[in-house]
Amino acid sequence: AQSVTQLDSHVSVSEGTPVLLRCNYSSSYSPSLFWYVQHPNKGLQLLLKYTSAATLVKGINGFEAEFKKSETSFHLTKPSAHMSDAAEYFCVVSESGNTPLVFGKGTRLSVIA
Amino acid sequence: DTAVSQTPKYLVTQMGNDKSIKCEQNLGHDTMYWYKQDSKKFLKIMFSYNNKELIINETVPNRFSPKSPDKAHLNLHINSLELGDSAVYFCASSQDGGFGETQYFGPGTRLLVL
Repeated sequence: AQSVTQLDSHVSVSEGTPVLLRCNYSSSYSPSLFWYVQHPNKGLQLLLKYTSAATLVKGINGFEAEFKKSETSFHLTKPSAHMSDAAEYFCVVSESGNTPLVFGKGTRLSVIA
Repeated sequence: DTAVSQTPKYLVTQMGNDKSIKCEQNLGHDTMYWYKQDSKKFLKIMFSYNNKELIINETVPNRFSPKSPDKAHLNLHINSLELGDSAVYFCASSQDGGFGETQYFGPGTRLLVL
């Protein structure tokens, strides 16, 4: 069965410093992995996804993530945080079509001026 | 030009009432979903439909009944509302439910049961 663990429920960074949001997954197959962002009182927006192509995936707003099969990880990074990055971030795994996406519990990112 | 829209945005109601939430997508997708986000922000799928046919039905009380009049719409009807139904409900759509597809989410409906 597939599962996702987001290792930090809350991460706080200063504006202009790097962001690291950690995600580990468990899957019996070669999964697809996603990062979604949810700004306060908004819906979810896709940041990036991995679907067995390049292991380093670039997304919107300067975010990227690296799929590491040996570590079963898919950590999200950004070189320099911006105030507008403050939001809830979800790591998501999918094992196959027509099976439900499984969401992590979310990591709240705070950015301090 | 909202891709996935939901109405209403907010819904406050009494226990025992019946309510509906509507969802529409204008992306031409074949697959639509309903998710529930609880007070701790945890998201879990409830249902998915592909071209009006039920595909995924997680362990949701049968007070919840999805209805898909056509592939652009997936409505959620809830009977006999309970306090525990208070949550944010998100509708989403994807091209055809295939592996690795991006799901596009609506803005959510915040349901509060008093």
